[in-house]
Amino acid sequence: DAKTTQPPSMDCAEGRAANLPCNHSTISGNEYVYWYRQIHSQGPQYIIHGLKNNETNEMASLIITEDRKSSTLILPHATLRDTAVYYCIVKGDDYKLSFGAGTTVTVRA
Amino acid sequence: NAGVMQNPRHLVRRRGQEARLRCSPMKGHSHVYWYRQLPEEGLKFMVYLQKENIIDESGMPKERFSAEFPKEGPSILRIQQVVRGDSAAYFCASSPQARQGHAFFGQGTRLTVV
Repeated sequence: DAKTTQPPSMDCAEGRAANLPCNHSTISGNEYVYWYRQIHSQGPQYIIHGLKNNETNEMASLIITEDRKSSTLILPHATLRDTAVYYCIVKGDDYKLSFGAGTTVTVRA
Repeated sequence: NAGVMQNPRHLVRRRGQEARLRCSPMKGHSHVYWYRQLPEEGLKFMVYLQKENIIDESGMPKERFSAEFPKEGPSILRIQQVVRGDSAAYFCASSPQARQGHAFFGQGTRLTVV
């Protein structure tokens, strides 16, 4: 039972920033927002996660709204290899990851 | 530090045969999770194991499926008397802790039942 809502697909131009939205209006105070991606035929790959502060790592940035009801994953300079299905997952004190349908991101040259 | 290793990457079985899928977690990880991805569907949790213990098998079919994670060696997902509906990608993940941090996934085993 996915707790998140993502657009089914989006296109992005190579070299431009890709902004992937996610709604999680029922998130609880102790739940984190996680992002994974799955490149075709590969296993899911962890990207980033956060609680309430914005986070940045070598792959992406995560912007969480002040009310924590939505977030945006930013791929700063999309490449063709970033074409994948991106999953936004809300996870609390649990070991399970609940994958929804995700957003299919296609990076075009 | 090698990642999560799954083998075989591809497995073909005839209906009625047994399928054994192996997963070696990352070094230092004692928590293993199995997920299944049916064609054109999302990943679904199957089972969570620690060394020698099944913690949660709520996502695993009651019949024909079993999992183990022995003290020594890889975790095994076993499917007996496979049927065409078992054709899927099976992913294993591991983590150093169960409830904190993120899990690392293997590349999966693609099971095809003919």
